[in-house]
Amino acid sequence: EVQLVEAGGGLVQPGGSLRLSCAASGLSVSSNYMTWVRQAPGKGLEWVAVIYSGGTTFYADPVKGRFTISRDNSKNTLYLQMNGLRVEDTAVYFCARGRDIAVRGTPPYFDYWGQGTLVTVSS
Amino acid sequence: DFQMTQSPSTLSASVGDRVTITCRASESVNTWLAWYQQKPGKAPKLLIYKASNLESGVPSRFSGSGSGTEFTLTISSLLPDDFATYYCQQYNTYSGTFGQGTKVEVK
Repeated sequence: EVQLVEAGGGLVQPGGSLRLSCAASGLSVSSNYMTWVRQAPGKGLEWVAVIYSGGTTFYADPVKGRFTISRDNSKNTLYLQMNGLRVEDTAVYFCARGRDIAVRGTPPYFDYWGQGTLVTVSS
Repeated sequence: DFQMTQSPSTLSASVGDRVTITCRASESVNTWLAWYQQKPGKAPKLLIYKASNLESGVPSRFSGSGSGTEFTLTISSLLPDDFATYYCQQYNTYSGTFGQGTKVEVK
């Protein structure tokens, strides 16, 4: 059974940093399109970042240059380092497994999801 | 900006109704489109991928169709468990844009 368990959310001031983690079981983070998707309170879904099995990373424009996706294969864990946080980054952040992509450089669609972790950016 | 527009935003329906949700893309996404169901406080659940492929374990009352810029999700006979919010997502372009969601509520 696949399980993705996020942690690391919380309250942070604008301009601050936070690191989210996603512990995976039942799948290997090194062999999949591992992604972060977020959802602002009462709003829709937004893809944030993906790391391909080969290690290549891609980011949505709103977070490019501020967020970094990475993984620790030995711990089978995915991370999202978030720097320069803004009020508009407030959201539930989901870890998700991408099953397939259309072409290289695009995000996948998502078949397994974690329960999410809430990040609140506020002074 | 690439946009995915769902309609309607809210749909009032009764158990047993046939329900259709539309998703329109601002440019062609071929058939690179997925549909998800989300219930309050929960993660989304994959229903349909590549426009018309039913995800394993998803009931056959759900179906998807379309290509290019217009897509539909149909629930053939609504069950109580189907009241939720539904999202489309295109994965043809870099933005991986989701629609804004369609809430299916009790009439």
